[in-house]
This record gives sequence, C-alpha cells and structure tokens, in this order.
Amino acid sequence: EVQVVQSGGGLVQPGGSLRLSCAASGFTFSSNWMHWVRQVPGKGLVWVSLINSDGSRIGYADSVKGRFTISRDNAKNTLYLQMNSLRVEDTAVYYCVPADKDWGQGTLVTVSS
Amino acid sequence: QSALTQPASVSGSPGQSITISCTGTSSDIGAFNYVSWYQQYPGKTPKLMIYDVTTRPSGVSNRFSGSKSGNTASLTISGLQAEDEADYYCCSYTTINTVIFGGGTSLTVL
Repeated sequence: EVQVVQSGGGLVQPGGSLRLSCAASGFTFSSNWMHWVRQVPGKGLVWVSLINSDGSRIGYADSVKGRFTISRDNAKNTLYLQMNSLRVEDTAVYYCVPADKDWGQGTLVTVSS
Repeated sequence: QSALTQPASVSGSPGQSITISCTGTSSDIGAFNYVSWYQQYPGKTPKLMIYDVTTRPSGVSNRFSGSKSGNTASLTISGLQAEDEADYYCCSYTTINTVIFGGGTSLTVL
C-alpha cells in the first residue's frame, strides 16, 4: 500500500522559511518522479515543483522559482521542499504527490504576521 | 503559462454518461501522453482516477475512462452514480518541464 506521510507545515511570518518533508513507502521511491502541489482551501490545485527519480531534472512554477527548492534523498525515501522568502500568497495546503500514485494527506502552510 | 481549460460545471442524471473536457495546447496536452485526472470531494485529498491519458489505477471503477484528441483530453464517466458528485481536475506535463492543472470541474448528479 502506498503511504506518503508529510510533515513540516505551520505558521510562519512573511519573509520566513519552512521545510516540508514527505516520507514515502509502499512503492519504489527511487524510481518515481515526485511533485509538490498546493491548494488554497476552496480553490483549485496548483502545481509547485517536480523532481525526477534521480534528482537530475527539476522544475518549478514561476511563482516559486528562486524561492523554493525541491530535493530528495532516495536512501531515506524522502522528498523535501525548502521554502524561503515566504509570502502571504504562499498560504495553502501543500501536497506531496508521487507520480501516478495516491497523494499525501497534505500539510497546511500559513504565512501571516 | 495559463491553466488548462475545463468547464466550471457539468451535470447528469444517475445512469447517464458525462464527459469533462480539458483543453490545452501543443506545448502540454498535445505534446505528450501525460494527462492525469483527479477526483476531489470537499475537504478531502484528491484521488488519482486516470493517468497517462487512459490508464486507470488499481481500484478505480471502470466507469471512468480517459481519452485525448489533439490538444484536448477528456474524462468520461458512464453509469453516473450519486457518489461521483465531486470536483474533477485534469493536469498535463509540459514541454518546459513543468506541470499544469485545469481550473477544475464541479460535477453534479441530479
């Protein structure tokens, strides 16, 4: 059974940083592309970032480029999203998404003073 | 990049079939066979219903099917049931190594 357990969300002030983590099991993590997707409650899904299986191909949405960094540790079956220079508009539920598999439960990131 | 275009809402009666369209460009839907569809109930995590245009994950009802023609992908739900009432989102990989979602379609079962 695919399991994706997320951690690291919370409240942060504008300009601050947070690191999200996503521990995966139940599938061959090292072979899977991974994504981060976010959603403001009541709004649509917005893709944030992707990383291929060995970390050699990375992509970002324009809205987070230069501020967010995606990475993975295949030895630990874990995906990360380092979020710097956070803005109020980054407030959302962030989902860890293994390509073509079930999603993580989501973690709320709130950027507010 | 603009979002993929989906109708804001569709509706159908139980037992009927409905189709949700998802229109993109030659830089996303038209470029690859990497279109996915997600179902989301209010307050819940999205569920993968279709990937790679036509593939259903294990456990997803065969009442759900996907297709693509040119720059438009479609999700068809046959034998509509009350439990199918939810929001549906399409997404596609793009030629610039990003992913783009549609704005979502609210399905109402009458």
